[in-house]
Amino acid sequence: SQKIEQNSEALNIQEGKTATLTCNYTNYSPAYLQWYRQDPGRGPVFLLLIRENEKEKRKERLKVTFDTTLKQSLFHITASQPADSATYLCARPLTTDSWGKLQFGAGTQVVVTP
Amino acid sequence: EAEVAQSPRYKITEKSQAVAFWCDPISGHATLYWYRQILGQGPELLVQFQDESVVDDSQLPKDRFSAERLKGVDSTLKIQPAELGDSAMYLCASSSPRLAGSSYEQYFGPGTRLTVT
Repeated sequence: SQKIEQNSEALNIQEGKTATLTCNYTNYSPAYLQWYRQDPGRGPVFLLLIRENEKEKRKERLKVTFDTTLKQSLFHITASQPADSATYLCARPLTTDSWGKLQFGAGTQVVVTP
Repeated sequence: EAEVAQSPRYKITEKSQAVAFWCDPISGHATLYWYRQILGQGPELLVQFQDESVVDDSQLPKDRFSAERLKGVDSTLKIQPAELGDSAMYLCASSSPRLAGSSYEQYFGPGTRLTVT
């Protein structure tokens, strides 16, 4: 089956450190990957999109990489803050030709302690 | 800032009863999605609309679920009859891929938490 997998264990990190999350996928290589943030009891919020021809994308303290050879994306939060505590979801198009329909990973919870 | 609206936020119903969820996407967004999210899992797509037309409902359990977007604006998702396994968060999202430079990002509503007893 086609899978998109994220670390199921929560990531506990001290304020100021860099949090690194992993997203691995199987089968087809997507044209892009998206990353979302989800707070408890709320809907996901879009953070970043990285296309297959982009190695790296940055937005403020966030950085995403995309390695099509490893079939992996890494999501980094630099200088982490307690307000960054949330669950982070990666997503890819459901099929190779579907721009829009997404398949989500289960998410990785990040807990930033002061 | 424009937001996706959903109601109700919480719904408790008994199994075998009917339940309906409403979604109002961001104005001008042609594409609307309904997702189901079970606790501890990522959202799972149920149905996708483009304007008033269903683009993909292959993951929608059609024996009990139905969705409509009659005027291409707001949408309703219905479950009849509800089963215990339907307990989940139901999320609505919208996007506007027609916009130049769009990244196909999806804007999610707050969701409806359904509990079936």
